[in-house]
This record gives sequence, structure tokens and C-alpha cells, in this order.
Amino acid sequence: QLQLQESGPGLVKPSETLSLTCTVSGGSVTSSSYYWGWIRQPPGKGLEWIGSFYYSGSTYFSPSLRSRVTISVDTSKNQFSLKLSSVTAADTAVYYCARDVVAAGYNYYDPWGQGTLVTVSS
Amino acid sequence: SYELTQPPSVSVSPGQTARIICSGDALPKQYAFWYQQKPGQAPVLVIYKDSERPSGIPERFSGSSSGTTVTLTISGVQAEDEADYYCQSADSSRTYRGVFGGGTKLTVL
Repeated sequence: QLQLQESGPGLVKPSETLSLTCTVSGGSVTSSSYYWGWIRQPPGKGLEWIGSFYYSGSTYFSPSLRSRVTISVDTSKNQFSLKLSSVTAADTAVYYCARDVVAAGYNYYDPWGQGTLVTVSS
Repeated sequence: SYELTQPPSVSVSPGQTARIICSGDALPKQYAFWYQQKPGQAPVLVIYKDSERPSGIPERFSGSSSGTTVTLTISGVQAEDEADYYCQSADSSRTYRGVFGGGTKLTVL
């Protein structure tokens, strides 16, 4: 059974870079037909898509976050990572990693990690 | 940007049918997907490609599509179905591939 687990600092200072890692078990980040993505949820609010990548290098990002987001993969550790630069309090959220199931003309997220809360504060 | 619109809340009594609507201009051309999120938990996929149900999801969950609206229907609602429900889809050009609706809080009275 595929499982994903986020990890990383729970507190980041304003203007710094948020860094999170997602460890995949029960499957491989090099699986064909699957992208791997990040979604976030500010406290008490809805879900916001951040972006996804394919292990060969193909990526797509939310236009509103594209300029600040980097997603990378470490195939040797079966992990992928998120970096979000120049963070502000508005970036405080629970961050989820998920498998992004991509097919011709559609995509959806399944399964999801349990999520990790990142607070941006000095 | 692209937006999907959901009602903030829906309330039903146990055993009744709950219908949660999601509206978006591109929905006639793009599939919709539905997620259930209980407090403190990660979202779980309950409907994909407008009306398909993943394995393990109870038959009381169903989905449909009509024009610019998709509907998640929960028949015979149970107390355990109380949760937030989110639709997800994309714009026609797929520039915005992972757009979520604002979420609907389902309350079981």
C-alpha cells in the first residue's frame, strides 16, 4: 500500500526558504504515469494546489506560486522535496504531499500524506 | 485564474440524501474529482472522473455532471459522513491543473 510522509521544520522565519521532504513507501517515485505533488491548507481554510513533478524532470506549478517554488527528487532515497522561497505569514499552512495521478486530460491526487504544519513567524 | 464554486455548508439529517454542488466554467470539458476531509486528517478521494468511485468508498457516495455543474450525492447519510468536501478540476487550457473548490462543510444533524 502506497504511503507518503512529510517531514521538515515546523517554524520558518519570514523572508527565508521553507523546505519540506516527502518520503514515499510502498511504491517508487520513478513509477510511470504518476507525478508527485504538493498541496497546502492554511489553518481553517481550503486546499491550495502548489505544483507537481515527474521524475524525468517535467513539472507544472500553480501560476500564483511558480516564481517561488522548486520541486526536486532524490530517487536513491525515494523522496521528493519542496522549497518555497521568500515566505511570509500567508504561507503558514499544513503542507501535504500526494501522488498526482495524471492521464490524458485530467489529474487527481491519491493518496495523500498526513500533512505537516509549517508556521512562518519571527 | 480559475475558480470552482461550492456552497460553504450543507446540513442533512441521518438517513437523508445530501447533495453538494460544484460550479465551474470548464466543467463541461474537464473531469471533476471529490475529496472528503475529516477534522485533523488528510483529504481522501471519494469520486474520480465525475462519477467513478474508488475501491473502499461506500456505494452511498456517487457523482454526476451536468453542464457547468458537478454534484456529489451521499445517499442515506451517516454520522460518520460529517466532514468537509472539496471538488477539484482544471481550466480548459489546463494551465490551472489542480484547482480546488472552497469546500463544503457537511453537517449531519
